[in-house]
Amino acid sequence: DIQMTQSPSSLSASVGDRVTITCRASQSLSSYLNWYQQRPGKAPKLLIYSASSLQSGVPSRFIGSESGTDFTLTISSLQPEDFATYYCQQSRSIPWTFGQGTKVDI
Amino acid sequence: EVHLLESGGDLVQPGGSLRLTCAVSGFTFSSYAMSWVRQAPGKGLEWVSGITMSGGSAYYADSVKGRFTISRDNSKDTLYLQMNGLRAEDTAIYYCAKDQFSGWYGNFDYWGQGTLVSVSS
Repeated sequence: DIQMTQSPSSLSASVGDRVTITCRASQSLSSYLNWYQQRPGKAPKLLIYSASSLQSGVPSRFIGSESGTDFTLTISSLQPEDFATYYCQQSRSIPWTFGQGTKVDI
Repeated sequence: EVHLLESGGDLVQPGGSLRLTCAVSGFTFSSYAMSWVRQAPGKGLEWVSGITMSGGSAYYADSVKGRFTISRDNSKDTLYLQMNGLRAEDTAIYYCAKDQFSGWYGNFDYWGQGTLVSVSS
């Protein structure tokens, strides 16, 4: 199985901050990496797919990038509605696996 | 508008069975693979099972293989998860999720609201 290691597990930030979350895969994903946002009590929401493609309707402040087996989600200017938990997920091979999540709070 | 609505979650004793249902609308169900993803209380997301568009192929996480069965009825726009031999560690919110693109991709662009399965004596 492909292991996804996400860091940090939590971070505190302020509105307007630039925030970076990292996900490392245990093997090559060929860009098959997705990012989700989950607000408390809600279902996850797809933000980024294929490492860097912005899902329709998602604000452009969410940016995905990759370097080898390292993937990064950047929120360029944190907004109040962005305080949530973020998960990476590989869709390179079954079983699909998620990172352990990064909680972004104030 | 796309909607996914799960049902069937309940409190069940260890060793018991449940069948979860996900009724969908707003898209051509038969054109998309579907998955079940669960989340234990206070924990992260875990992919449980997925099924291809036609239902001809199904895949499972090792943690549920041999105990859970995913199926679909394309004539009823409905996804199922039959859960047998339930264990305490199966306690979670179970979400059904739609593949983003027609085919088999593993990107989930729509999710239901989830249904809670609790396994306890």
